[in-house]
Order: sequence, then structure tokens, then C-alpha cells
Amino acid sequence: EVKLVESGGGLVQPGGSLRLSCRISGFTFSSYWMSWVRQAPGKGLEGVANIRQDGSQKKYVDSVKGRFTISRDNTKNTLSLQMNSLRAEDTAVYYCAREGSDGSGYYVDFWGQGTLVTVSS
Amino acid sequence: QSALTQPASVSGSPGQSITISCTGTSSDVGGYNYVSWYQQHPGKAPKLIIFDVSNWPSGVSNRFSGSKSGNTASLTISGLQAEDEADYYCGSYTSSSSLVYFFGTGTKVTVL
Repeated sequence: EVKLVESGGGLVQPGGSLRLSCRISGFTFSSYWMSWVRQAPGKGLEGVANIRQDGSQKKYVDSVKGRFTISRDNTKNTLSLQMNSLRAEDTAVYYCAREGSDGSGYYVDFWGQGTLVTVSS
Repeated sequence: QSALTQPASVSGSPGQSITISCTGTSSDVGGYNYVSWYQQHPGKAPKLIIFDVSNWPSGVSNRFSGSKSGNTASLTISGLQAEDEADYYCGSYTSSSSLVYFFGTGTKVTVL
């Protein structure tokens, strides 16, 4: 059974940092592009960042470039998102997600349960 | 364009069929056969129900069907059931370098 379990969310002040983690099981982690997708309260879905199977390619949505860093450890089946200089508009549920195709940006076939990040003073 | 355009809400009675549209451009929906659809119940993670315009993931009901014409994709739900009440999002591959995934604005489906 494919499982993606996020952790690390919480309340942080504007300008602060937070590191999200996603533990994967049930499939060969190193064979898939992986992503972080977020959803602000009452809003739609937004792809935040994704990373190639071997970590050699990374892509970010413009609004987080220079502030967020996606990484993966294929030996520990773990996906991470380091978030710095957080802003109120980063408040959202962050989902760990598996890319369903061989490439990047086609579709997500499995999602974690999400972890809530709240940026507020 | 920051999101694909979907109607805010669609409703239908049990047993009826409804269709949700998803409008983009030739740089996304119209240019590639990589449209996907997601169902999201309140407080839950999205679930993939259609990929590559009209394909079903394993375990998804064939009451859900997808199609595309030009820059507009559509999701049809046949034999509407109470459990189909949820938010639905389309997604498309895009040639834009500014986006990771390109999702729609979302449609709330209400079963009357």
C-alpha cells in the first residue's frame, strides 16, 4: 500500500523557518519524481516544488523561489521541504505528492494526508 | 493565467449526469493530452480520478469520464450519487516555467 506521511507543520512567525518531512512507504521511492502541493484555507491547489528521482532537477513555483528548498534522501525514503522567510500567504495545508508519470508536472497519483503550516504573529 | 478556469459550482439530482468544464489555453489544456481530474472531500486529501484526459486509475469508478475539445477539458459524472458531493479540480501539463503543476480553480459539486 502506497503511503505518504507528512510531519513538521505548525505555527511560525512571519520571517521564520520550518522544515517539512514526508516519509514514504509501499513503493520504490527512488523511481519517482516527488512534489509538494499546498492548499491555502478555502482555496485551490498550488504546486510548490518538485524534484527528480535522483535529485538532479528541482522546480519551484515563482512565489517560493529563493525561500524554499526541496530535497530527498533515497536511502531513508524521505522527502523534505525547507521553508525560510515565511510569509502570511504561505499559510496552507502542505501535501506530499507522488508524480504519476515518468516526467514532471503531468499529474499526481498519490497524496499524503497533509500538514498545516500557519504563518502568523 | 494563474489557474485553469472551472465553474464555481455544479449541482444535480441523484442518478443524473453532470459535466464540469476546465478551460485553459494552447500552452496547457489545448497543447497536450495531459489533463487530470481530482476529487476532494472536505478535510481530506485530493484523490486522482482521471489522468491523461480520459484514463482511470485503478479502483476509480467508470461513472467518471473525461474528454477534451480544443482548450477545454470536461469531466462527466454519470449516475450521480450522494458520495460524489465534493470539490473537483482539473490539472494540466503546462509549458510555463513558472509553475510546477497547473491546477483549475475548483468546482463544488452538490447532490440535491
